[in-house]
Amino acid sequence: QSVLTQPPSASGTPGQRVTISCSGSSSNIGSNAVQWYQQLPGTAPKLLIFSTNQRPSGVPDRFSGSKSGTSASLAISGLQSEDEAAYSCATWDDSLNGPVFGGGTKLTVL
Amino acid sequence: QLQLQESGPGLVKPSETLSLTCTVSSGSFSSSSYYWGWIRQPPGKGLEWIGSIYYSGSTYYNPSLKSRVTISVDTSKNQFSLKLSSVTAADTAVYYCARQVSNSGWYVAWFDSWGQGTLVTVSS
Repeated sequence: QSVLTQPPSASGTPGQRVTISCSGSSSNIGSNAVQWYQQLPGTAPKLLIFSTNQRPSGVPDRFSGSKSGTSASLAISGLQSEDEAAYSCATWDDSLNGPVFGGGTKLTVL
Repeated sequence: QLQLQESGPGLVKPSETLSLTCTVSSGSFSSSSYYWGWIRQPPGKGLEWIGSIYYSGSTYYNPSLKSRVTISVDTSKNQFSLKLSSVTAADTAVYYCARQVSNSGWYVAWFDSWGQGTLVTVSS
C-alpha cells in the first residue's frame, strides 16, 4: 500500500488534455514539494516534474504540475501516443523523514 | 553524462542476504549536493524508497526496512552498495539505484537520475 494515492489508470485520445491526481496528507504533500516520474514500459523512472511545477531540461512544456492542499496533479496537454506510460508522484514525508511514492497511474492513449 | 549501473545476483534464496552495488560514472559522486539512494518496485506495484547514503557515509533508511538494510559507500570506486538481510518472496522486485538532489541537506531530496534497474527474485 503506497503512502500517496493515485488512480490506477487513466486514458485519453491524441491531442486531448489529461490530468492525473495524487493524494497525500499534511505530513507529505501538504507541506512539501512534489515530483512526477514517467516510466515507459520496461524502463527506469524518468524525472518529469520537480519542485511541484518545474520541468527538467528537455521535458516538453506539455507537461505541468500543480498542488493544492494535500493533493497534487500532473497535466498533460496535446496528448501524444509516446506519452503512453506509467506516471508516479513522489514527495517528502516529514513523519518518515524520507521520500514517499504513489502507486503509479497507467496512462493509455486511445 | 551521469550514468548509474546496478550489479549483483538476480536470484537470492529465502532467508539469505541480497547484495547489490551501484557504480556511478560521474565526478559528482562526492558533491555536497547529492545523496545516493536505493528504490525498489515489486512486479506490478509502486516504487518504495529503501534508503540513501551521503558520500561521507551518513545513512538514512526507510523505517519499515531499517532492521534489515545496510547501505555503504566506497568513494574511491564511485560505488555504493545495498545489503538486505533475511529476504522473503516479498522482497522480489526491480531494484534501482538513483541520485538524490537536495538544496537543504537531508530534507526534500528528490531523485533526478536513475540506473536501469535490476530484477532480483527471491526463490529457492
